[in-house]
Amino acid sequence: EIVLTQSPGTLSLSPGERATLSCRASQSVSTSYLAWYQQKPGQAPRPLIYGASSRATGIPDRFSGSGSGTDFSLTISRLEPEDFAVYYCQQYGSSPKTFGQGTKVEIK
Amino acid sequence: EVQLLESGGGLVQPGGSLRLSCSASGFTFSNYAMSWVRQAPGEGLEWVSGISGAGAGTYYADSVKGRFTISRDNSKNTLYLQMNSLRAEDTAVYYCAKSRSGWYADYDYWGQGTLVTVSS
Repeated sequence: EIVLTQSPGTLSLSPGERATLSCRASQSVSTSYLAWYQQKPGQAPRPLIYGASSRATGIPDRFSGSGSGTDFSLTISRLEPEDFAVYYCQQYGSSPKTFGQGTKVEIK
Repeated sequence: EVQLLESGGGLVQPGGSLRLSCSASGFTFSNYAMSWVRQAPGEGLEWVSGISGAGAGTYYADSVKGRFTISRDNSKNTLYLQMNSLRAEDTAVYYCAKSRSGWYADYDYWGQGTLVTVSS
C-alpha cells in the first residue's frame, strides 16, 4: 500500500498570499496518477487536479499541480476567500487508492 | 448533468447490516468504474471499495474485506454496498464516486454522501 504524507497539517495564510501544499508518497506513484481534491465543511470533495498537473473542469488557473515519482505539490497562486478549505491528495495508480491525511488552509 | 445520489444510511447496532445505494444519472453508467469512499467524523478520506464498469472486477480495502460487498446493476444505473458485521469504526459518511475513465483513474464526480452510524 502506498502511504501519502501531506505537509503541513495546517497552513495559516491571508487572502492574496501564495499557498504551497506538499504530498509525499512512500513509493513511486505510477504514471503520475496523483489527484488533488478540495473539501469544505459539510460538502463532498471537489476534484481539482488529476494526472499530477491537469486541472479538472471549471477549476481556475490559480490552482496548479506539479511533481512526479514520490514528490508532488499543489500551489494556489493567490488565495481567494473561497479557497480556505481542506485539501487531500490521492494516488490512483495502485490498489488500494490511498489518500493523504489532508492539509487545512485557514485564514490567518 | 452528472448526478450521484446515495441512500440507505442510518443507525445500526454493532454486528448489524446495511445496504447503501447510489443512483447515477447523466452519463453512461456501465462505461465507468465506481467506488465507495468514506469519511469518519472529523477525519480524512478513506477508499473503501471499487468495481469495474462491467462489474467483473471488485476491490476492497483490507479494513472491510470479507464484510462488505460492492455490486452494481447497470440496467438500473445503481451502485450498491452491502455492509455486514458492522463495527463502531465503520461509522462515517459514505460517498459514491465516479471514475474519470477506467479503473486507474481519479474521481471526477462525487455524491453528497450518506451517514452510517454504528452504535448500540
